[in-house]
Amino acid sequence: SQWGEENLQALSIQEGEDVTMNCSYKTYTTVVHWYRQDSGRGPALIILIRSNEREKRSGRLRATLDTSSQSSSLSITAAQCEDTAVYFCATDANRIFFGDGTQLVVKP
Amino acid sequence: GPKVLQIPSHQIIDMGQMVTLNCDPVSNHLYFYWYKQILGQQMEFLVNFYNGKVMEKSKLFKDQFSVERPDGSYFTLKIQPTALEDSAVYFCASRRTGGGYEQYFGPGTRLTVL
Repeated sequence: SQWGEENLQALSIQEGEDVTMNCSYKTYTTVVHWYRQDSGRGPALIILIRSNEREKRSGRLRATLDTSSQSSSLSITAAQCEDTAVYFCATDANRIFFGDGTQLVVKP
Repeated sequence: GPKVLQIPSHQIIDMGQMVTLNCDPVSNHLYFYWYKQILGQQMEFLVNFYNGKVMEKSKLFKDQFSVERPDGSYFTLKIQPTALEDSAVYFCASRRTGGGYEQYFGPGTRLTVL
């Protein structure tokens, strides 16, 4: 399998809290994608981090990548209800390998 | 942003029948993909397609599966004959050539094989 540890299956937090989701992968990659998938819709890329970057920010999102441990994290600062979705990390540019995903629920 | 469309959104067929899933990719994209997601499970790569050819396929892309994009129209996934285990949501994606890696996904077609 492409993946080592599985992502947490479900996270439930209160609006305004910060949250971090982690993933680890087994095979070499030059890029880690983080996608979110809303119910009934296809995945949408929210942030991409390359192997020469240790950290990437986009608004309230922050991704990190540690190629030595083959792990990546996605943090959301001050989560809002609309952040409720399933979040996947994925590797490889051309044939994307998705992890199991984390169902994030942000409660008002 | 750019949109990928998929038609139909839901298809119900009897086992053994043929089904064609249609994808309308982003207009200037030349790489096309199909992924399969069984309910509650992770999404898995099936095949990618470029310049009229299958570039890479996974073991899930059985002999009963075929893809084509005739004359720049829909990018299609055909399953003939269908089996019960083909029931899933199928997502199409496309991306442009060049250095950008982002794939844009359609909303999926839910296929139910009875």
